[in-house]
Amino acid sequence: ETGVTQTPRHLVMGMTNKKSLKCEQHLGHNAMYWYKQSAKKPLELMFVYSLEERVENNSVPSRFSPECPNSSHLFLHLHTLQPEDSALYLCASSQPGEGITEAFFGQGTRLTVV
Amino acid sequence: AQSVTQPDIHITVSEGASLELRCNYSYGATPYLFWYVQSPGQGLQLLLKYFSGDTLVQGIKGFEAEFKRSQSSFNLRKPSVHWSDAAEYFCAVAPFSSNTGKLIFGQGTTLQVKP
Repeated sequence: ETGVTQTPRHLVMGMTNKKSLKCEQHLGHNAMYWYKQSAKKPLELMFVYSLEERVENNSVPSRFSPECPNSSHLFLHLHTLQPEDSALYLCASSQPGEGITEAFFGQGTRLTVV
Repeated sequence: AQSVTQPDIHITVSEGASLELRCNYSYGATPYLFWYVQSPGQGLQLLLKYFSGDTLVQGIKGFEAEFKRSQSSFNLRKPSVHWSDAAEYFCAVAPFSSNTGKLIFGQGTTLQVKP
């Protein structure tokens, strides 16, 4: 079982829907991330949370709203999305600090906006 | 701006042949360097990483990578490719100055393995 679990694995939503993606890490890390992976584009960092505080927001539209209630859980709330938001959304965690460590990724949520 | 370039979008090799995937980075100092692999429909799995020390690092699944400071490169190699190696490979850097652990990824190289 992966140390980072994402649910759901697949999601189809209409442009007027509201849905949430969930990420849970069992690794004791203190940093969590949302990445967007679109076809033919590099992975894009969306949000960074460190010790439950958002430390980075890379010009992500407000229709994406992250939430980190504790160091083990990360959510991405979605509303009024556009078809171009269809992508694989990946959650990751790591333990940065002295001697940076690698990020561990979940299996992703494949989102389709119709 | 920091960036990662993987010049080869798609590579096809025969099973048993050697493999080299290229990665170049643009950064003022030596960053932390990673190679990840992604199978279809899956998340990213770490193959290997370089922080400091020996510039030739060994990873899982028989992969290795060599850091060359003079060329700002971190190329991934495998002496004999297996059909199960077909996947997408991502090079990534974590800037030394970053205390958040964020990664900057290249655009990826898709590896196809011919029987």
